[in-house]
Amino acid sequence: AQSVTQLGSHVSVSEGALVLLRCNYSSSVPPYLFWYVQYPNQGLQLLLKYTTGATLVKGINGFEAEFKKSETSFHLTKPSAHMSDAAEYFCAVSLTSGTYKYIFGTGTRLKVLA
Amino acid sequence: EAQVTQNPRYLITVTGKKLTVTCSQNMNHEYMSWYRQDPGLGLRQIYYSMNVEVTDKGDVPEGYKVSRKEKRNFPLILESPSPNQTSLYFCASCLGGIGMNTEAFFGQGTRLTVV
Repeated sequence: AQSVTQLGSHVSVSEGALVLLRCNYSSSVPPYLFWYVQYPNQGLQLLLKYTTGATLVKGINGFEAEFKKSETSFHLTKPSAHMSDAAEYFCAVSLTSGTYKYIFGTGTRLKVLA
Repeated sequence: EAQVTQNPRYLITVTGKKLTVTCSQNMNHEYMSWYRQDPGLGLRQIYYSMNVEVTDKGDVPEGYKVSRKEKRNFPLILESPSPNQTSLYFCASCLGGIGMNTEAFFGQGTRLTVV
């Protein structure tokens, strides 16, 4: 069965520091992979997605993620954190063979320290 | 503007009193879905619909009903709410079945408290 694991329910970084949010998945077939961001009192919005092709994917707000099949990982990074990046981040996968749902990780709340 | 609209945003109700949370999308999406978000559990799918009059259970359907009579609307019905249904609810839609590489659009959420 597919699953998504996000290591660290809370991550704190200093403003200007590297952001690294970890996501690992288990799947018998390569899935589609997504990162969503949720700002306080708002819905989720797509940051980036990997489907096929280049394994390094760039998204909005300077975020990027790299699909590593051998490690079954899709970690989210940003070179320099900004205060406005404080939010909750969700990794999600969906099967490539027609399943009709996303499977979400439990989320990582990012705190950016001044 | 493309959007998914949920109402109400906040709701406090009593155990057993039927309620409906509405969801509407203006993007002509075929696929719509309901999730609940609970601390430490992420988002779990309640029900989904692949098109008008086509609905199916997600991972946590107990205590919920849905209907899809029109493409744009997908209401969530709690016939007899209980305190364990206190949660943050999200409606989402996308162009095709999620399982393709299409982006899902989410509503703003409905925070439900059942006392």
